[in-house]
Amino acid sequence: NAGVMQNPRHLVRRRGQEARLRCSPMKGHSHVYWYRQLPEEGLKFMVYLQKENIIDESGMPKERFSAEFPKEGPSILRIQQVVRGDSAAYFCASSLLGQGLNNEQFFGPGTRLTVL
Amino acid sequence: QQQVKQSPQSLIVQKGGISIINCAYENTAFDYFPWYQQFPGKGPALLIAIRPDVSEKKEGRFTISFNKSAKQFSLHIMDSQPGDSATYFCAATKSASKLTFGTGTRLQVTL
Repeated sequence: NAGVMQNPRHLVRRRGQEARLRCSPMKGHSHVYWYRQLPEEGLKFMVYLQKENIIDESGMPKERFSAEFPKEGPSILRIQQVVRGDSAAYFCASSLLGQGLNNEQFFGPGTRLTVL
Repeated sequence: QQQVKQSPQSLIVQKGGISIINCAYENTAFDYFPWYQQFPGKGPALLIAIRPDVSEKKEGRFTISFNKSAKQFSLHIMDSQPGDSATYFCAATKSASKLTFGTGTRLQVTL
């Protein structure tokens, strides 16, 4: 299965701990997007990365959140000092192109973060 | 600021009926409008998409109608089946980059 992979699928953290979410894009894809879905809401864009570069982080909270997509390995979304309001499903999507015609984004199964 | 408004929030349709979900957008720079289907515990999956130079696109039982002047678009599911029961999201994007999603419609198709 060459789909977008995310791990862990479920993550439980206590307030103040760090959460680290991983995303492996589809084979051949070098563009990664992170979205957050709060309960009973739609997905909200957080950040768009290309290998080793952050292209658009306009949806990222200013503090505690960071993302990277290194040359080798998965993309990582890191949340420091988690609070209960961070509880959500975090989805990663990848695409072959950054923009343009037929630039479909393929979504992973998500990581469901619960902050106790 | 909610740039894509979606309605209804939930929808119950009998098997064989037509399901209709509506979306309206504000940003006239949007140039690509996909619809996603999401089952519980899964990630969204692209269902069908349209560009504003086309007023209608049909793929099997799924049709998008697009009204550029009204800044509205809708998804029609013909001959709805129980397997179509899922949450549907409309979305919009400029240059097929980051997606702006609607709030979702939970569809239930009854026997």
